[in-house]
Amino acid sequence: EAGVVQSPRYKIIEKKQPVAFWCNPISGHNTLYWYLQNLGQGPELLIRYENEEAVDDSQLPKDRFSAERLKGVDSTLKIQPAELGDSAVYLCASSLGPISYEQYFGPGTRLTVT
Amino acid sequence: AQTVTQSQPEMSVQEAETVTLSCTYDTSESDYYLFWYKQPPSRQMILVIRQEAYKQQNATENRFSVNFQKAAKSFSLKISDSQLGDAAMYFCAYRSPNTGNQFYFGTGTSLTVIP
Repeated sequence: EAGVVQSPRYKIIEKKQPVAFWCNPISGHNTLYWYLQNLGQGPELLIRYENEEAVDDSQLPKDRFSAERLKGVDSTLKIQPAELGDSAVYLCASSLGPISYEQYFGPGTRLTVT
Repeated sequence: AQTVTQSQPEMSVQEAETVTLSCTYDTSESDYYLFWYKQPPSRQMILVIRQEAYKQQNATENRFSVNFQKAAKSFSLKISDSQLGDAAMYFCAYRSPNTGNQFYFGTGTSLTVIP
C-alpha cells in the first residue's frame, strides 16, 4: 500500500513569489491534515479536511495561505506571496477518519524562502 | 489549548542500553489519547506507540513501552535494547476528542545512539 505522497520534496523560492505543495493521501483516507514544522519544533496544524470540507482552518494564515481538496482526495496548499518566515517543512498526513487515532505522515516539503 | 512539554531537547544512549524520554502535558479533559512518534532524518514521521487515557495498563510495543501516569499528566517512553536505527527525533503528542481530535505535539527529543 502506497503511503502519503508529497511533492516537491524541496523548494527554494525568492520572497514574494508564490509556491504550491501537493499531497496525495493514502487511498480511502477521508481525513487530511496539513502541518507546519519549524526547525527544532513539533508539527503545528494548519488545516484539517474531512473529505472535501475544511473543518478546522483556524491556524491557517488566510491572508497568504490557501488550501483546497476539491474532490476529497488529493490536496494543494498554496502560499502567495511567500515571506522569509515561511521557510519550514510542510507536512501532510491522513487518517481513515476523524476518530481514527492513527495519522500517517508524508515525507514533507522543505521550503526555503530567500 | 492543550500543551505538551518535552523537557529533554537531546538524549543519548549506548547501543543495547535502555533510555527513557520524558513528556508531560496539560489538560483538564479525562478522555484523550497519547502518542509517541519517531521522525528519522528522512523526516517521515511514524507512530511508535499509543495510549488511551482510560486504560490503566501501560502500552507496550516490542522494545518500546510507556509509563503513563494520568494523575501526574506524565507519559514517558522507554526504549530497551537500543539499536542504531532508533536514532531519530521523538515527538510526544496529545489528541483530544473534544477539539475535533486535533493533535498537539511537543517540541521533540533528539535521540543519538552511540555504537
